[in-house]
Amino acid sequence: EPEVTQTPSHQVTQMGQEVILRCVPISNHLYFYWYRQILGQKVEFLVSFYNNEISEKSEIFDDQFSVERPDGSNFTLKIRSTKLEDSAMYFCASSDGQLTGEETQYFGPGTRLLVL
Amino acid sequence: QKEVEQDPGPLSVPEGAIVSLNCTYSNSAFQYFMWYRQYSRKGPELLMYTYSSGNKEDGRFTAQVDKSSKYISLFIRDSQPSDSATYLCAMGGGGGSTLGRLYFGRGTQLTVWP
Repeated sequence: EPEVTQTPSHQVTQMGQEVILRCVPISNHLYFYWYRQILGQKVEFLVSFYNNEISEKSEIFDDQFSVERPDGSNFTLKIRSTKLEDSAMYFCASSDGQLTGEETQYFGPGTRLLVL
Repeated sequence: QKEVEQDPGPLSVPEGAIVSLNCTYSNSAFQYFMWYRQYSRKGPELLMYTYSSGNKEDGRFTAQVDKSSKYISLFIRDSQPSDSATYLCAMGGGGGSTLGRLYFGRGTQLTVWP
């Protein structure tokens, strides 16, 4: 069964450093998303991406964040200068975007980011 | 404001019990309703998907959506210890031509003991 994959599974970084989280969405999907989950809190939407551009972003997704689809398979989230409060589990998700009544988003296993 | 409310529990039931999980929401524009299961420190796994109002059944799981009350439910029949996890409700849609961002509840932690 197709699945979303993410690398790395864990990342530890120093405050102020740049990190890049990588995702490989399901191959025929067209819409890509990043969410995060701070420990003990709700899963929160960060950004959605379609046709090589951001289609929607939340208030969390400020200038420190960027997304890119560098090739036909990868989808990345970059945090330019990490802060302590960026420590969270980051989930990538994808959907095929076809409103057939069965559209939904499939999530990857997540990258646990710890900022020290 | 697009908020989703879900009782975080924890909920503890014996094996074989019927489990009822619920969420309420405030945005009447939501049209897509999902239940995800999340094991500790793992990604959400899609369990059930419902479009608009009505019921959907899949094995031991039944999802119900009542849009008039802005209330969704997930029922688990004959619960098993392997059902022990956190159950997240999520919803979205109504804002355009695609599903868009999902809004999640906090999740209900369920333990099924043998």
